[in-house]
Amino acid sequence: SQTIHQWPATLVQPVGSPLSLECTVEGTSNPNLYWYRQAAGRGLQLLFYSVGIGQISSEVPQNLSASRPQDRQFILSSKKLLLSDSGFYLCAWSGGQGADQPQHFGDGTRLSIL
Amino acid sequence: AQSVAQPEDQVNVAEGNPLTVKCTYSVSGNPYLFWYVQYPNRGLQFLLKYITGDNLVKGSYGFEAEFNKSQTSFHLKKPSALVSDSALYFCAVFNTDKLIFGTGTRLQVFP
Repeated sequence: SQTIHQWPATLVQPVGSPLSLECTVEGTSNPNLYWYRQAAGRGLQLLFYSVGIGQISSEVPQNLSASRPQDRQFILSSKKLLLSDSGFYLCAWSGGQGADQPQHFGDGTRLSIL
Repeated sequence: AQSVAQPEDQVNVAEGNPLTVKCTYSVSGNPYLFWYVQYPNRGLQFLLKYITGDNLVKGSYGFEAEFNKSQTSFHLKKPSALVSDSALYFCAVFNTDKLIFGTGTRLQVFP
């Protein structure tokens, strides 16, 4: 069966420090991959998505970036974190290009910026 | 542009009573609609989807949703609520490789 892993589960970082969050998927190939941010336990903001290795679509211009170095690995990065980057970061995958494919989410990383 | 709206921030219901969480959609073409649930400090879990076919869709944990084309709605329902159903619920619509999520409705089931 397919599984998705995100780490770390929680992270506390100072303003101006770099960031790297990793997400990996097992048990499937060529998934679509997504990074979301959720603020204050409410709405989801899509940050990036990828339909293949090296293919990244950015939804919101900001100081974050994403990379997909391998088929089932998706990384969210920042060179210098801002206070406004605090939030709950969720990675998700879906199978293929079909509209009927649901997304499956990891358990998230709670990021606090001090 | 594709969008969904969840008009209620919170829904309160007594255990054992039926529950409804509302969602309306705005799409061009056929809608592909989804419901997700999120428990505290967890990722979203897929509950059910409507792609085509029967207007009543059955999903996980006893939930179902009714697709109504004339009212452009896709309300989530359950005949008898449980305290453990208390969570945050999201409606979503598919749009070109991604889902557009509503703002979420917090369901509180009281014993």
